[in-house]
Amino acid sequence: DGGITQSPKYLFRKEGQNVTLSCEQNLNHDAMYWYRQDPGQGLRLIYYSQIVNDFQKGDIAEGYSVSREKKESFPLTVTSAQKNPTAFYLCASSSKWGGNTEAFFGQGTRLTVV
Amino acid sequence: KQEVTQIPAALSVPEGENLVLNCSFTDSAIYNLQWFRQDPGKGLTSLLLIQSSQREQTSGRLNASLDKSSGRSTLYIAASQPGDSATYLCAVLSGYSTLTFGKGTMLLVSP
Repeated sequence: DGGITQSPKYLFRKEGQNVTLSCEQNLNHDAMYWYRQDPGQGLRLIYYSQIVNDFQKGDIAEGYSVSREKKESFPLTVTSAQKNPTAFYLCASSSKWGGNTEAFFGQGTRLTVV
Repeated sequence: KQEVTQIPAALSVPEGENLVLNCSFTDSAIYNLQWFRQDPGKGLTSLLLIQSSQREQTSGRLNASLDKSSGRSTLYIAASQPGDSATYLCAVLSGYSTLTFGKGTMLLVSP
């Protein structure tokens, strides 16, 4: 089955900890994205990657970091500098950067600070 | 900066009704517009994608229209069913080739 796999589905973080959310796609897509979803708000872009070994900050990148060492993988690290990390995190991909492309999403990871 | 607004924020209808969800955007220079469905606690499922050069797209009981010049799109759901209950999100692809989302319309179809 082609698609985007996010893991884990639920994640709990203690104060001061860094945690990493996994996102893997087997769609052979060049572009990948991380969004954050909070109740009552639209999805907000954290980071995006146009191609392997490249990534750019989105609208709310502070307190987050990413890497794109492989085409199929785009992990997101939520660092201790992110003061309000409790949210639903969604990973997406599209075939290429720029122009008329369709975005596909994973099933999300719910992160809770305990 | 692109802004996307969805009206209404919530909608409750009895089974069998036809309904319309609305989406508006501020910058008409878009590549495409996508409608997504999100079930509680789940990811987004793409329903329809309308390219900027198209006026509408259909999939089963769903029909999406696009009026780029006025910055509007509608999602029409025919003969609604309880299984249609979900949050529907509109997103436009424009500018730096990233999606801008509305806050969604939460739909409840009662039997």
